[in-house]
Amino acid sequence: QQQVKQSPQSLIVQKGGISIINCAYENTAFDYFPWYQQFPGKGPALLIAIRPDVSEKKEGRFTISFNKSAKQFSLHIMDSQPGDSATYFCAANFNAGNMLTFGGGTRLMVKP
Amino acid sequence: GAGVSQTPSNKVTEKGKYVELRCDPISGHTALYWYRQSLGQGPEFLIYFQGTGAADDSGLPNDRFFAVRPEGSVSTLKIQRTERGDSAVYLCASKFSGANVLTFGAGSRLTVL
Repeated sequence: QQQVKQSPQSLIVQKGGISIINCAYENTAFDYFPWYQQFPGKGPALLIAIRPDVSEKKEGRFTISFNKSAKQFSLHIMDSQPGDSATYFCAANFNAGNMLTFGGGTRLMVKP
Repeated sequence: GAGVSQTPSNKVTEKGKYVELRCDPISGHTALYWYRQSLGQGPEFLIYFQGTGAADDSGLPNDRFFAVRPEGSVSTLKIQRTERGDSAVYLCASKFSGANVLTFGAGSRLTVL
């Protein structure tokens, strides 16, 4: 059962543009929603995370928007840079001890 | 160490062979997770340790897969009678108990010929 669905699978953005990646989840018990960034040959690294008690969280050029009623959340990368080119994964879990469930990933390419 | 260390970084084996993959978590992290990542896919949960015991092994695909963490630190993922479908990157991650931030290693890439 795929509990976290991510789209698009791939994304090409021009330098300076906005990259938007979307995720939808099914389990209403989820209460922690992180985004991970993965470069080739490396493990995923935490980028930014949100809890459902807020609708938006911003850290530098990265923003998570969260819609609890729609069970959706998205990552916005403002002023996208070639160095942002990587694969991005959304994830979710409930209770800190449980495992993270990951989306399928979005391969982002930012063209110079 | 400073990060999660996984060895080997690459392992090529023949169908039917036994393999062991090792994970050395961040010092002090009591929770340890194994994930499997197939090409072009997101990580899939395999097993979670809290201390020495497996708190959740519901993600192990079948009884050919087994993992241990005898002293509550280093963990070994063991795969018996490997199959070509086992080819993937096996990721280990660790965190403090009760925390949400999970730190991943670079993974062990397993190729079964």
